[in-house]
Amino acid sequence: QVQLVQSGAEVKKPGASVKVSCKASGYTFTSYYMHWVRQAPGQGLEWMGIINPSGGSTSYAQKFQGRVTMTRDTSTSTVYMELSSLRSEDTAVYYCARATDLDYWGQGTLVTVSS
Amino acid sequence: QSVLTQPPSASGTPGQRVTISCSGSSSNIGSNYVYWYQQLPGTAPKLLIYRNNQRPSGVPDRFSGSKSGTSASLAISGLRSEDEADYYCAAWDDSLSGHWVFGGGTKLTVL
Repeated sequence: QVQLVQSGAEVKKPGASVKVSCKASGYTFTSYYMHWVRQAPGQGLEWMGIINPSGGSTSYAQKFQGRVTMTRDTSTSTVYMELSSLRSEDTAVYYCARATDLDYWGQGTLVTVSS
Repeated sequence: QSVLTQPPSASGTPGQRVTISCSGSSSNIGSNYVYWYQQLPGTAPKLLIYRNNQRPSGVPDRFSGSKSGTSASLAISGLRSEDEADYYCAAWDDSLSGHWVFGGGTKLTVL
């Protein structure tokens, strides 16, 4: 069965970076793009970008351009999302979700940004 | 401010039929598929409807989706207490080199 297992919660100081991982299993990793979506406390869903695990190409939401980097490791079927220059507004649960239909989601990773 | 517009709340009694609307534009709903996600408290979103009106296996046929022009709607018939959740619509948007957009979410309360 398809599973996306994300790394654990993180607490970061403003200005720092965070790297969240998402390990895929149960399907051919390189056959499906992967989205990253975040959700601030009590708020809605916000799309951050997408990565092609096959070639590594990426497309980021304009809001995060220059601050987000999505990478992958095909040897471990894992995608990564790194967000830099963190500020308090980046406190959120970060999800990976399989494309095309966002049919499977990771369990979410809470990132707290606090001084 | 979400690109897709949903009512912030909806409610119904058990057994009733409720609908949730989602309004967009020609660059998103008007030209691409609409998706619906259900999010129970403290959990990740779950795909409920894909490609306008398709249900993944395991989703009851009480849930149905439709699209017309630049709007879409989710209908839930035979409302049950376990349907109480947040519902989000989503679509690909062709503007700005393409990006995924979500509605602001609708909190469904079963009275």
